[in-house]
Amino acid sequence: EPEVTQTPSHQVTQMGQEVILRCVPISNHLYFYWYRQILGQKVEFLVSFYNNEISEKSEIFDDQFSVERPDGSNFTLKIRSTKLEDSAMYFCASSERRQGYGYTFGSGTRLTVV
Amino acid sequence: AQTVTQSQPEMSVQEAETVTLSCTYDTSESDYYLFWYKQPPSRQMILVIRQEAYKQQNATENRFSVNFQKAAKSFSLKISDSQLGDAAMYFCAYRTTDSWGKLQFGAGTQVVVTP
Repeated sequence: EPEVTQTPSHQVTQMGQEVILRCVPISNHLYFYWYRQILGQKVEFLVSFYNNEISEKSEIFDDQFSVERPDGSNFTLKIRSTKLEDSAMYFCASSERRQGYGYTFGSGTRLTVV
Repeated sequence: AQTVTQSQPEMSVQEAETVTLSCTYDTSESDYYLFWYKQPPSRQMILVIRQEAYKQQNATENRFSVNFQKAAKSFSLKISDSQLGDAAMYFCAYRTTDSWGKLQFGAGTQVVVTP
């Protein structure tokens, strides 16, 4: 069964550093998403991406964050100047269609900011 | 704005028994999608079951079934014949038909399965 692949599985970074979280969506999917889950809290939407541009973003997704699809396979989330409160699990997801069924999540990247 | 409420932080069930997780949501939309996701200790998000609001028939996937009450805006998940592998956090989620697919999640219910 096709999978969404995220790397790394765990990243530790110092406060103020930039991090790039990487995702390889399912190959025929067109819609891409990033979600965040702070430990013990609910899963929160960050951003959706389609046709090489952001289609929707949440209030959390401020200027500190950016997304990119640099080639035909990767989908990245960049966090500039990380803060302690950015420590969370970050999930990438992809969907074949805009409407309809739920989408496939990756296994997540645990980001720890120290 | 849509909100999803899961009022049970934790539910305990014995193996082979049945447990029901509650979920309510608030929306002014008439058409939307509802989902239950399972998050085991590995923290991966796994789709358990989905329901289209325009379908009156409750969705079923093997031992998992839902009770969808549109008028009451309720979407409960029933796990029958519970197994140790069912132990996980379960999230209810809502998705409109006119957004770019954003999911709104509830706070989750931790399911504990005892032998």
